[in-house]
Amino acid sequence: GAVVSQHPSWVICKSGTSVKIECRSLDFQATTMFWYRQFPKQSLMLMATSNEGSKATYEQGVEKDKFLINHASLTLSTLTVTSAHPEDSSFYICSRGTGETQYFGPGTRLLVL
Amino acid sequence: GDSVTQMEGPVTLSEEAFLTINCTYTATGYPSLFWYVQYPGEGLQLLLKATKADDKGSNKGFEATYRKETTSFHLEKGSVQVSDSAVYFCALSPNTGFQKLVFGTGTRLLVSP
Repeated sequence: GAVVSQHPSWVICKSGTSVKIECRSLDFQATTMFWYRQFPKQSLMLMATSNEGSKATYEQGVEKDKFLINHASLTLSTLTVTSAHPEDSSFYICSRGTGETQYFGPGTRLLVL
Repeated sequence: GDSVTQMEGPVTLSEEAFLTINCTYTATGYPSLFWYVQYPGEGLQLLLKATKADDKGSNKGFEATYRKETTSFHLEKGSVQVSDSAVYFCALSPNTGFQKLVFGTGTRLLVSP
């Protein structure tokens, strides 16, 4: 069964609003989780590494004030897209790792109108 | 920087046909290589992996060999089934002790009865 869940699975919002996406590790206490973004017909791009109890590490070119990450517990990381705009519409995927194996959530599709 | 290139899809095959999905990579050092599969409505799942040159990863009838001389990790299956219809992602981990993954764009496989 699934070891990583995401909620919601899809969300539609108006431009300028903020959207929170939750990622839960169901079977493992994860000190580190990852957030990816996937555009249509493109690869998954790592956005940031979520670290429990400390600040997230963002990849180059990702606005940390735009994509707020909170990893408040060993089983939950959240991604908040602040003041969302249509160009933020995408598929957001989280994962957690065990050794070299990553376990991915089913993804959250965000559509900003 | 590190990158992964895989063939564009969709790849359309009849059941029991032979499958090859090409994947080449660019990386410094000695990355680990992976194939992930995403079935409709589900999260990415690890299909197979190889951690050093000449290693062969295999699972569910799929195989891929880590070829350092050609920087390739092509996915093959001798006889595909309708249930293999999915999107397949080639990925590498830079092997720096960090779990970061670099993905290819994904290849959609459609198998018809």
